[in-house]
Amino acid sequence: AQKVTQAQTEISVVEKEDVTLDCVYETRDTTYYLFWYKQPPSGELVFLIRRNSFDEQNEISGRYSWNFQKSTSSFNFTITASQVVDSAVYFCALSEIFTTRDNYGQNFVFGPGTRLSVLP
Amino acid sequence: DAGVIQSPRHEVTEMGQEVTLRCKPISGHDYLFWYRQTMMRGLELLIYFNNNVPIDDSGMPEDRFSAKMPNASFSTLKIQPSEPRDSAVYFCASRPGLPTDTQYFGPGTRLTVL
Repeated sequence: AQKVTQAQTEISVVEKEDVTLDCVYETRDTTYYLFWYKQPPSGELVFLIRRNSFDEQNEISGRYSWNFQKSTSSFNFTITASQVVDSAVYFCALSEIFTTRDNYGQNFVFGPGTRLSVLP
Repeated sequence: DAGVIQSPRHEVTEMGQEVTLRCKPISGHDYLFWYRQTMMRGLELLIYFNNNVPIDDSGMPEDRFSAKMPNASFSTLKIQPSEPRDSAVYFCASRPGLPTDTQYFGPGTRLTVL
């Protein structure tokens, strides 16, 4: 069974603070993919990043950075110098790929989400 | 390029009525997914298709729910008869053929069953 845990239900920070959103996952597979999505108040789900299980390099994209640690099964997301526009629910997701006789299959599970409020 | 398109964006109906949600995936994407989002259960995968064929419908809550994909550019999720507990936001997502690729989500349909 696979599982994604985001222990922080809600976080509030003041603008310009750094904030880290935690994600811990469980899987028996050696090949899997991890994702972060952002859901702003408007409701859409916006893809932020994908990382495969063989690539443990941390990634930085502007004010966003991700720390993937296989040893602790964690894929944490840090926003540096947060802004009000960062206020959203952030979802971590896990995807396992399996093959069948005729095709590929994908198990895709979302965590419960962390609601981030950035106050001016 | 247009993203995933869903219609209607909002639907209000009465218990017992049939509801049909529609989705147009991104052109060229081979996979299409239907999700439901509620406060209690979060985001749940209901069903997904590969090349118009349903692959896994184990997430479909019960027989009142059905999904079809008659062609590569259109899918429907139907609830008949609808119940108040079906009230949720329903998302459609699509992705290209490779299993490593990312799912891209539509804007969602907010369904309210009175």
